[in-house]
Amino acid sequence: SQQGEEDPQALSIQEGENATMNCSYKTSINNLQWYRQNSGRGLVHLILIRSNEREKHSGRLRVTLDTSKKSSSLLITASRAADTASYFCAILSNSGYALNFGKGTSLLVTP
Amino acid sequence: GAGVSQTPSNKVTEKGKYVELRCDPISGHTALYWYRQSLGQGPEFLIYFQGTGAADDSGLPNDRFFAVRPEGSVSTLKIQRTERGDSAVYLCASSLGASGSTDTQYFGPGTRLTVL
Repeated sequence: SQQGEEDPQALSIQEGENATMNCSYKTSINNLQWYRQNSGRGLVHLILIRSNEREKHSGRLRVTLDTSKKSSSLLITASRAADTASYFCAILSNSGYALNFGKGTSLLVTP
Repeated sequence: GAGVSQTPSNKVTEKGKYVELRCDPISGHTALYWYRQSLGQGPEFLIYFQGTGAADDSGLPNDRFFAVRPEGSVSTLKIQRTERGDSAVYLCASSLGASGSTDTQYFGPGTRLTVL
């Protein structure tokens, strides 16, 4: 089934640095969503970008989408220790409602 | 309520036992979803409810898994004859409608199930 693959699997940076993680997928999409998960529990929806959008911002988050390359990136600027979490991209399945998640990028931000 | 809630937060059971996991969606959300997340993996879709009916249960791994939502609000995921491989975090999500292109899914904190 269609799902995104995040890269890198793990990322370690210092507070204040920017963090970039990528998501690649294989077939056409309606939209792509990014979620954050702390401590392996509930996911928090960060941002949704539609297939006709190229870039979207929300606070310190910037998401880009390149449908020709079938990839998306999530940039967190001026990272904080509280940004430490796993980040997942999610793509709608063919059903139009179920989300398919990749394995995620584990981000560690050290003080 | 303020968000999706799930109970219990942790459940430890023995192989072969029956367990029930509960999900309280956000008030007014008609769509409810169950996902399962194994260690080191992303969540995997199990079942989707629109109102009281299971509109899609194609993600349920086998017939030991069953879910209900009798009044269109609270949902219970039921697992019979549990196996060690069922150990995972079970996540519930709800959305206002079921249009994946517009309706954000809000996730609960999950129930961590451990089968000994």
